Amino acid sequence: KNEVEQSPQNLTAQEGEFITINCSYSVGISALHWLQQHPGGGIVSLFMLSSGKKKHGRLIATINIQEKHSSLHITASHPRDSAVYICAVLLLYGNKLVFGAGTILRVKS
Amino acid sequence: GAVVSQHPSRVICKSGTSVKIECRSLDFQATTMFWYRQFPKKSLMLMATSNEGSKATYEQGVEKDKFLINHASLTLSTLTVTSAHPEDSSFYICSARSPLDYNEQFFGPGTRLTVL
Repeated sequence: KNEVEQSPQNLTAQEGEFITINCSYSVGISALHWLQQHPGGGIVSLFMLSSGKKKHGRLIATINIQEKHSSLHITASHPRDSAVYICAVLLLYGNKLVFGAGTILRVKS
Repeated sequence: GAVVSQHPSRVICKSGTSVKIECRSLDFQATTMFWYRQFPKKSLMLMATSNEGSKATYEQGVEKDKFLINHASLTLSTLTVTSAHPEDSSFYICSARSPLDYNEQFFGPGTRLTVL
């Protein structure tokens, strides 16, 4: 079993839809990152969370430390949101990031 | 915001040659940088942790003589793929740890290496 599991693996949405991507982890962490990777490869850090909730524009990220679960929400989705979204956890011991497999999101107009 | 650059963005080389990839923190000093590798349709995997002024720490299964890492200054880490082979073809991404928040990393845009 992977230390970081994401779901769904693939997601197709219609423009304007509310989108949720989930991340569960099985290890002790000091922080959780949500990353966005566009075709061509460059990675953008969207959020870093250690508790609670963060919001940036149409993006919202939440984390429940007790349940070892985080969600990334996109409101009013747009085709430009199409990308791979990656959840990564910073291990409490060992000081390294472990990545989920990513969720491929396609938003159709 | 904190910016990390990588050079080159894309490189094609012949089998047996060596390739150097640079990772720079442009507007901050980074005592620690990380090198990741990403295979097609796979997630990133940590290759090594690069510490300024000391030897890099390699992850299990990563050949240190194959992937040479040098972190000679607070803004530059280099990854040299020695005697490259086609199986080394991959997307290599670096990140730099924030000097303000130990938990935060800033990612470079990546380097796509193709070995013919």
